[in-house]
Amino acid sequence: QVQLQESGPGLVKPSETLSLTCTVSGGSISSYYWSWIRQPAGKGLEWIGRIYTSGSTNYNPSLKSRVTMSVDTSKNQFSLKLSSVTAADTAVYYCARDSKGIRGGFDPWGQGTLVTVSS
Amino acid sequence: AIRITQSPSSLSASTGDRVTITCRASQGISSYLAWYQQKPGKAPKLLIYAASTLQSGVPSRFSGSGSGTDFTLTISCLQSEDFATYYCQQYYSYPWTFGQGTKVEIK
Repeated sequence: QVQLQESGPGLVKPSETLSLTCTVSGGSISSYYWSWIRQPAGKGLEWIGRIYTSGSTNYNPSLKSRVTMSVDTSKNQFSLKLSSVTAADTAVYYCARDSKGIRGGFDPWGQGTLVTVSS
Repeated sequence: AIRITQSPSSLSASTGDRVTITCRASQGISSYLAWYQQKPGKAPKLLIYAASTLQSGVPSRFSGSGSGTDFTLTISCLQSEDFATYYCQQYYSYPWTFGQGTKVEIK
């Protein structure tokens, strides 16, 4: 079955750019939406945005000015960049497959990767 | 953004109990609502989508109902493995938003 795995630095300095990649295995990345979601320690879930395999994106307005997502179908990967990070961006970051229309929800999810913003 | 108010924020229950969690959307979202279960240190798991459709492999003791602004997740007979945090999420309009979560604890 489809599996997702996040990768990237676990520590990022304030004001720098957080970069994460999600690798999809067990299936094709094509013709799906793919999302990033984050969760600060002990807190709830926040949707960051999503990308279709055509490259079309939708971002959360609360983060839109700092977020860039991209997709590499040849590698079955999609990526997240979050610029000008602060301590408030410290969280577990998840990638997940998103759905179209009423058949919604995120499934499956990656295991998550903790990103700490600190000098 | 559509706000999702989830209640209660926590509850204590015993194995075998019937548990109900509710989500209220700040505006109508038809049936564009999903429910997730999250255990400590793990990613959320999709339980229900389209407000009432059970995801493949999810036990039938889980059920969802509602449309418009008011939704309910019911666990008919709580099992030990069901102690977790539950979230609802709307996907009617961007940005997708989540409820604050309900932690189901052992009484």
